[in-house]
Amino acid sequence: QVQLVESGGGLVKPGGSLRVSCAASGFTFSDYYMSWIRQAPGKGLEYISYISSSGSTIYYADSVKGRFTISRDNAKNSLYLQMNSLRAEDTAVYYCARDQLPRGGDVWGQGTTVTVSS
Amino acid sequence: QSALTQPASVSGSPGQSITISCTGTSSDVGGYEYVSWYQQHPGKAPKLMIYDVTNRPSGVSNRFSGSKSGNTASLTISGLQAEDEADYYCSSYTSTSPYVFGTGTKVTVL
Repeated sequence: QVQLVESGGGLVKPGGSLRVSCAASGFTFSDYYMSWIRQAPGKGLEYISYISSSGSTIYYADSVKGRFTISRDNAKNSLYLQMNSLRAEDTAVYYCARDQLPRGGDVWGQGTTVTVSS
Repeated sequence: QSALTQPASVSGSPGQSITISCTGTSSDVGGYEYVSWYQQHPGKAPKLMIYDVTNRPSGVSNRFSGSKSGNTASLTISGLQAEDEADYYCSSYTSTSPYVFGTGTKVTVL
């Protein structure tokens, strides 16, 4: 079945870096846009980035632009989010989603938790 | 891009119908037929319930329906069941961001 599994979350100090990953299965990964959405503790959903099927088109929300980098490896059916210069306000559950632009995400992973704290 | 406005909470008794509103602008909800609704149970990932304003993905109960009028979209849950108790978020394609989510609504089954 169609499945997305995130990994790589953890505890990191302010100013530090972390890379989270998303492994896709059950569909032709290279045919789809992919996105990252995050949810801070007790808060709503925030759309932060997408990447086109080929990787040629990328979008970042202003809140992460210049600090986060989205990438993908279609040969490995994997999506990545490199997070640098992390701040306390980046603490959240990070979800990857298959993106049916302009319809939004139709399949979501279970999420991986990133905590930024000293 | 400001979040779409949803009521913080909506409640109903089993078997009743409830409606959740999602208000945006002509740059998002009012400008496109790309409104989605997500259900999120505590500690779980969001699940797509409605896409393109009115369409249900395969496997989603027909008790869930969507509509839109002007800058406001709505999700109606009919025949409310205990398992419907969750948080619900709307989302819309926008002219800028490319998506914006709603503020979220907690549905309580009394």
